[in-house]
Amino acid sequence: QKEVEQNSGPLSVPEGAIASLNCTYSDRGSQSFFWYRQYSGKSPELIMFIYSNGDKEDGRFTAQLNKASQYVSLLIRDSQPSDSATYLCAAAGYSTLTFGKGTMLLVSP
Amino acid sequence: NAGVTQTPKFQVLKTGQSMTLQCAQDMNHNSMYWYRQDPGMGLRLIYYSASEGTTDKGEVPNGYNVSRLNKREFSLRLESAAPSQTSVYFCASSGGLTGPNSPLHFGNGTRLTVT
Repeated sequence: QKEVEQNSGPLSVPEGAIASLNCTYSDRGSQSFFWYRQYSGKSPELIMFIYSNGDKEDGRFTAQLNKASQYVSLLIRDSQPSDSATYLCAAAGYSTLTFGKGTMLLVSP
Repeated sequence: NAGVTQTPKFQVLKTGQSMTLQCAQDMNHNSMYWYRQDPGMGLRLIYYSASEGTTDKGEVPNGYNVSRLNKREFSLRLESAAPSQTSVYFCASSGGLTGPNSPLHFGNGTRLTVT
């Protein structure tokens, strides 16, 4: 059974701080990893994807991948109250994505 | 930019009734997916279609059937609804022949309640 594990949270950070969201995966064959943001009552929306070991930056977001440790993370710099949402990590298998259950992030003004 | 369109947005069924959830995408994607999302359970794959003409079971296929009508449309049918099928259903699509290595694009979801 392929699994993606995330701490359910909530992770609470003050406005302007760095939020660090973590994810581990069980399938060593996974090659692609995705972070989605989901606001309450809405559908998931893609934030970032990463294929290679190391860091990938896009604006305030940085995804980090360590395949040896089977670990993916998402850093959100200068967190804003509008970043308050559930963040889903997903790992690509041969034909499908496996999602973690998500981490709820709360950013307080 | 319609993207992935799901209908209906909300539905209430009685136990034993049937219904079909419709999904269409206008991004010329090869792969389409149906997920359900339940509190504390995350997104779980019901069925997927890697390309037009093919369908495969996901993690939780029991009680569901699917039809890939053409490249654009992928429907999910509940033949005899049960309260355990109360959930939010998301359709998604992705481009390329290796669908999951491309990002998924989600529809807005269907909230289904079975009483």
